[in-house]
Amino acid sequence: DSGVTQTPKHLITATGQRVTLRCSPRSGDLSVYWYQQSLDQGLQFLIQYYNGEERAKGNILERFSAQQFPDLHSELNLSSLELGDSALYFCASSVETSGETQYFGPGTRLLVL
Amino acid sequence: AQSVAQPEDQVNVAEGNPLTVKCTYSVSGNPYLFWYVQYPNRGLQFLLKYITGDNLVKGSYGFEAEFNKSQTSFHLKKPSALVSDSALYFCAVTPGQAAGNKLTFGGGTRVLVKP
Repeated sequence: DSGVTQTPKHLITATGQRVTLRCSPRSGDLSVYWYQQSLDQGLQFLIQYYNGEERAKGNILERFSAQQFPDLHSELNLSSLELGDSALYFCASSVETSGETQYFGPGTRLLVL
Repeated sequence: AQSVAQPEDQVNVAEGNPLTVKCTYSVSGNPYLFWYVQYPNRGLQFLLKYITGDNLVKGSYGFEAEFNKSQTSFHLKKPSALVSDSALYFCAVTPGQAAGNKLTFGGGTRVLVKP
């Protein structure tokens, strides 16, 4: 168990809908990262937050957004969902210092029908 | 831009034999390199990392990896594979100090250890 928790574990929804994925980092970690794992794109970095502020952005669609709250948990919001958004979404956390290990949660499996 | 290549989609090895999973990278500057393992329906588990220092890095579950700067490689090794090592292995890189901490992953290598 990495200490990173994600809810829900599974999510089934329809095209055009909006969902929210939640992540709680390990105790003491200030940085949260979101990654998407899909069969065609592999594992891709989406976005990073550090202590409530956006720190880095990757291949995140405009339909997706995230935030980190004062208690350091983070939410990834996915809207106007498309079939191609079906994937496994991982959250990871670390101490901010460059080179620090990122510890991953168990992921949320999203299926868009 | 940084990139990671894992040239083998799958590696088959008999239990008790040495296991090697290959990884090469492309990044400017001095990279930080990582190996993660993913078991079915589980998240990624950290195995080991190279930041600086000794080129041979020892990690969890008997795994080790050797950093080779001239060949830009970071191959994962285990002297004697177990059936329980069967999983999906990912190599990843970050661009190094002061350049952010986002991980760029290779495509993954599936390891199958046969009894």
